[in-house]
Amino acid sequence: GENVEQHPSTLSVQEGDSAVIKCTYSDSASNYFPWYKQELGKRPQLIIDIRSNVGEKKDQRIAVTLNKTAKHFSLHITETQPEDSAVYFCAAAGFQKLVFGTGTRLLVSP
Amino acid sequence: KAGVTQTPRYLIKTRGQQVTLSCSPISGHRSVSWYQQTPGQGLQFLFEYFSETQRNKGNFPGRFSGRQFSNSRSEMNVSTLELGDSALYLCASSLDREAFFGQGTRLTVV
Repeated sequence: GENVEQHPSTLSVQEGDSAVIKCTYSDSASNYFPWYKQELGKRPQLIIDIRSNVGEKKDQRIAVTLNKTAKHFSLHITETQPEDSAVYFCAAAGFQKLVFGTGTRLLVSP
Repeated sequence: KAGVTQTPRYLIKTRGQQVTLSCSPISGHRSVSWYQQTPGQGLQFLFEYFSETQRNKGNFPGRFSGRQFSNSRSEMNVSTLELGDSALYLCASSLDREAFFGQGTRLTVV
C-alpha cells in the first residue's frame, strides 16, 4: 500500500524566512496530494492541494511542487509569519484512501 | 453549512471497556474516514465508509470497527480498550477528494 514519508519532523525559522517541507510517496498510482495545517488544539485544515496533471500550484505565500518521476512533492512557504506556526501534514491518495505523512512542526520566531 | 461534528469531545474510559464515537459529516458528503492521531505518529488511517459500506481499511486490530448509517453518519467502536488506544480520533468527510475534518474525540484510557 501507499507509504508517505515527511521531512523534517521539526523546522524552526525566523519571521520572514522561507520554509520548505518535503514528502515522498511510494504508490505510483497516487494522483492527489493535499497539505493540511493543524494549529494547536484544532482540527487539520486543507491549505493547498495539487493533482498529478500539474507540476506546481501557488496560492499567495504558499506553493506546492510535484515531481511524479521522483515521487516527491514539497510545500514552500515564503515570508513566514508567527501565525504560520503549526503542524503541517502532507498526504497522498490514489483511488480513494488518503495516506498522511507523520507531520512537520513549524515554529516561526518573531 | 454545518461542518463535521464529532461527539463526544472528550472521553475517559478504563482498560477493558468499550467505547463508541460518533461522526456527522457535512450534508451531502457520503464518504467518512476515521483517523487515529497520537504524538509522533501523525494521522493513522483506520477505515473509510461510503454509502454504508466499508471501502478501505487500515492496519488496526479487529477491536476497532465502524459502521455508517443511511444518513451518512458514522460510528466507530473500540472494544477491550488498552492504554495504547489513548489518542485523538478524527473523522473526515469528503464529497470529491478534499477531506474536511471534525474537531475530534480525545479518548483517554486509564
